[in-house]
Order: sequence, then structure tokens, then C-alpha cells
Amino acid sequence: DVKVTQSSRYLVKRTGEKVFLECVQDMDHENMFWYRQDPGLGLRLIYFSYDVKMKEKGDIPEGYSVSREKKERFSLILESASTNQTSMYLCASSLGVAGPLEQYFGPGTRLTVT
Amino acid sequence: GDSVTQMEGPVTLSEEAFLTINCTYTATGYPSLFWYVQYPGEGLQLLLKATKADDKGSNKGFEATYRKETTSFHLEKGSVQVSDSAVYFCALSDKNNNDMRFGAGTRLTVKP
Repeated sequence: DVKVTQSSRYLVKRTGEKVFLECVQDMDHENMFWYRQDPGLGLRLIYFSYDVKMKEKGDIPEGYSVSREKKERFSLILESASTNQTSMYLCASSLGVAGPLEQYFGPGTRLTVT
Repeated sequence: GDSVTQMEGPVTLSEEAFLTINCTYTATGYPSLFWYVQYPGEGLQLLLKATKADDKGSNKGFEATYRKETTSFHLEKGSVQVSDSAVYFCALSDKNNNDMRFGAGTRLTVKP
């Protein structure tokens, strides 16, 4: 089974702090994704990566950056956290261009910025 | 761009009732369609999928048929259980876009 893990289930940070959310997948997937989930809005794509050191902006990249130095790890960075970034953050991975399109999700990190 | 619209919730049913959650999509290509389920405090899990028109995806008593003529992928279950209480997301993905579009989610509560 594919396993996607996220570094924290819950985080509380202060406004202006730099925040790192880590995601690791163990199935050699090429694609990795970061979403945020807010009530009534479903999942919105922040960034995705289709290869090491490659990244693409999603629908809401402002205020976020990402890093993918190794194939199995995809990090989401909040350069200066703000209260409107309080949300559930979900990481996902999928096989790649030649494979099936379904994504596999981690358990999520609920981030609160105070 | 591609998008998914699913029926708003919340939906509350009694145990053993019939479930339908409507989902329609807009896409320029030929997407694959998915239903994901999210149990409380967890991430999303793939429930079922269909990759081409008239395909039926099924899993755990749930099923959905890819209807190209009505651009729909409605989720159905004949007899729901309390353990089916969760949020359900309809989604589509296209090989040309490399990402996935999700509906807003429908919260289902099943009462004993």
C-alpha cells in the first residue's frame, strides 16, 4: 500500500513565523501535491511537483513556497505565517505521467496561526 | 478550466436508507473521475474511480457510473451504515493537466 506521511498532525504558530510542513511518500511516485482544505471550499491546490527540483504553481500559491530535493519528500513553506493561512493542509502523491491518475493522501496537518 | 460541482450537504440519512450524492463535471478533454472519502480526522481515501465513458466504479457497496452524455458521476449506495458517515468528494483528473479538481465535498451523517 502507498503510504504518505506528514510531519505533524497539529501545529500552532504565531503570525510572522516561518513554517515548514513536511511530506514523505514511500512508493517512488513522481508527482507530489500540496492542498489546503477549508470548509465549503473543498481542496485547493497550492503547488505540485512532477520531478525532483521541479515545481508548478497551483491555484493559490501566494504566501507559500515548496522544496523537493529528494523524490520521496515534498516540503511546503510558509515564509511568514498569517492568520488567513490557518487551515488543514493535505499532501498527496501520484505515480506519474505514464501511470494511473489517482492521488494518495496523507492524514493532513491542521495548522493554526495566532 | 475543468471543474466539478457536487450537491451541497449536509445529508442526513437513517441506517439502511438509499444514498445518492450528485456530481457533475465540466471538462474539455476526457478525464478520469473519482470519488474520495474523508473520515473524521483523516486524509482523503480513494473510494472508486472510472476512466472512460460508461465505466462503473464500485467499492464497499458504493458505485458510480461515468455518464458522458450528462457529464455526471453520481455516487450511490443501496443501504448506508453508520460507519459510512464521512465527507465525500467528487474529483476529476486529466492526463494533460497533471492535477486533480475536487468538488466542495458533501458531508454524510447516518443515524442508527
